[in-house]
Amino acid sequence: AQKVTQAQTEISVVEKEDVTLDCVYETRDTTYYLFWYKQPPSGELVFLIRRNSFDEQNEISGRYSWNFQKSTSSFNFTITASQVVDSAVYFCALSPTGANNLFFGTGTRLTVIP
Amino acid sequence: DAGVIQSPRHEVTEMGQEVTLRCKPISGHNSLFWYRQTMMRGLELLIYFNNNVPIDDSGMPEDRFSAKMPNASFSTLKIQPSEPRDSAVYFCASSLGAGVWELFFGEGSRLTVL
Repeated sequence: AQKVTQAQTEISVVEKEDVTLDCVYETRDTTYYLFWYKQPPSGELVFLIRRNSFDEQNEISGRYSWNFQKSTSSFNFTITASQVVDSAVYFCALSPTGANNLFFGTGTRLTVIP
Repeated sequence: DAGVIQSPRHEVTEMGQEVTLRCKPISGHNSLFWYRQTMMRGLELLIYFNNNVPIDDSGMPEDRFSAKMPNASFSTLKIQPSEPRDSAVYFCASSLGAGVWELFFGEGSRLTVL
């Protein structure tokens, strides 16, 4: 069975602060992919990143960075110098290799206060 | 470029009525997914099509739900008869190639069944 836990339901930060969104997963599959999606107020989910279970290298993309640690089954997402436009619900998701489904966490609502 | 287009964006109907939700995937994408989002259950996969063929419909709640993809540019999700517990946001997503490599979501159809 697959399970993704995002323990932080809601987070509020003041603009320019750094914020980390936690994601912990459970799977018995030896190979899998991890994802982060952003759901802004407009409603659609926007793909942010995909990470292969074999690749534990951290990833940085502009103000976004991701820390994948297989030892703790975590795939955390950090936004540096947060901006109001970062306000959204962020979902972590897992898909076993070859599967046709994304198993989503319950999401973390991030509010960035100007 | 046009993204995934869903209609209607909002639907309010009475219990027992038939509801049809529509989706136009991104041109050239050959995988299409229908997801449902509720507060209680989060994001759940309903059905997955690849090259217009239903591959996995294990998430379809019951016989009241049906989905079709008559061609590569159109899909429908039908609920007949609708019930209040069907109230949710229904998302269509498409991807290039098979599986969940990178999903592009529509803005969703918010269904309210009274």
